[in-house]
Amino acid sequence: DVKVTQSSRYLVKRTGEKVFLECVQDMDHENMFWYRQDPGLGLRLIYFSYDVKMKEKGDIPEGYSVSREKKERFSLILESASTNQTSMYLCASQWKVGRGRKEETQYFGPGTRLLVL
Amino acid sequence: RKEVEQDPGPFNVPEGATVAFNCTYSNSASQSFFWYRQDCRKEPKLLMSVYSSGNEDGRFTAQLNRASQYISLLIRDSKLSDSATYLCVVGSGGSYIPTFGRGTSLIVHP
Repeated sequence: DVKVTQSSRYLVKRTGEKVFLECVQDMDHENMFWYRQDPGLGLRLIYFSYDVKMKEKGDIPEGYSVSREKKERFSLILESASTNQTSMYLCASQWKVGRGRKEETQYFGPGTRLLVL
Repeated sequence: RKEVEQDPGPFNVPEGATVAFNCTYSNSASQSFFWYRQDCRKEPKLLMSVYSSGNEDGRFTAQLNRASQYISLLIRDSKLSDSATYLCVVGSGGSYIPTFGRGTSLIVHP
């Protein structure tokens, strides 16, 4: 079974703090993603990475950065946390599209609920 | 216009009922289609892929209508444990990034 883990289930931070959210997958997936999920807005893509040291902005990258130094690990960084970044953060991993695999399933971690005070 | 649209619901049905959800997509080049299930305060998980010929998995049936650009999910004999949010997901083949709908909430009551 694919396993995607996230460093924290719940996190409380203060405005202005630097926040690190880590995600690790054990299936040698090329693609990794960070989403946030808010009521009524669904899943919104923040950043994704298709290889080590490669990253691309998603729909809402402002206020976030990412790091992918190793294939299995994808980190999301909030440089200076703000109250509007209070949300559920979900990491996902996926095989590289076009490898001949029939499914493009994304496997999600359990999520991190971040509260910024 | 959002690329993948779903009725948010909630669909409130009694146990044993049959319920159907539709999802429309705007990108005619889309090539892969999925339904994910998300339980309250949990992560989304793949429920089933949707193939051109339609597919069935127990009480769940998924169908694709390319001409009208929608996919559907039919749940027969609803159980209390089917209560969840169902997310429609569409991939465009050449892109790394699938597009998620906002989800349809299902509540199955006794």
